[in-house]
Amino acid sequence: EAGVTQSPTHLIKTRGQQVTLRCSPISGHTSVYWYQQALGLGLQFLLWYDEGEERNRGNFPPRFSGRQFPNYSSELNVNALELEDSALYLCASSLQMTDTQYFGPGTRLTVL
Amino acid sequence: AQSVAQPEDQVNVAEGNPLTVKCTYSVSGNPYLFWYVQYPNRGLQFLLKYITGDNLVKGSYGFEAEFNKSQTSFHLKKPSALVSDSALYFCAVRRHNAGNMLTFGGGTRLMVKP
Repeated sequence: EAGVTQSPTHLIKTRGQQVTLRCSPISGHTSVYWYQQALGLGLQFLLWYDEGEERNRGNFPPRFSGRQFPNYSSELNVNALELEDSALYLCASSLQMTDTQYFGPGTRLTVL
Repeated sequence: AQSVAQPEDQVNVAEGNPLTVKCTYSVSGNPYLFWYVQYPNRGLQFLLKYITGDNLVKGSYGFEAEFNKSQTSFHLKKPSALVSDSALYFCAVRRHNAGNMLTFGGGTRLMVKP
């Protein structure tokens, strides 16, 4: 069974640009979560989608947004990139809202 | 609010010796507790979880963890460490019936030396 997949693997952007990260959950999983792992800040919850709806968001500004598609895949969009957005962005999926989250390999975003 | 503390940034252990990675949590209500491992430039791999029942939980790769409600701890253990266990370990907590957001500890780097 394929795990959670994310694309791209690495991304380099400049300050002020916009970026879109993609995530495909494990087959059958309906919930998708996004986390940011920034150096020195640890793992922080960003967004949670289930059945196409945003269920919860972490303490991040509105320029972080996303969506979940009918096939349960998800996108994370970050507008007006800032240097401190440089991080590993991890996507996770779960079978149901209350089940174990399984993580993808992440997308490494570097903002110059 | 919920929080997780991993008091040790790094744990060093010799191969073949038992290892313990500590985790304490703070959450109102019944906690769901998780351990994940992260290898360099990789995502997080699920090791084990505690939901309810037996306080000793067995997981992947020979790891186990003990839930202690009175001490609000969920320490990760392994009887005999391998060099390949060297990685970054994260403890996480989720509050029962309060959404599925995981709150992670800061991580503990485990170094197993031959």
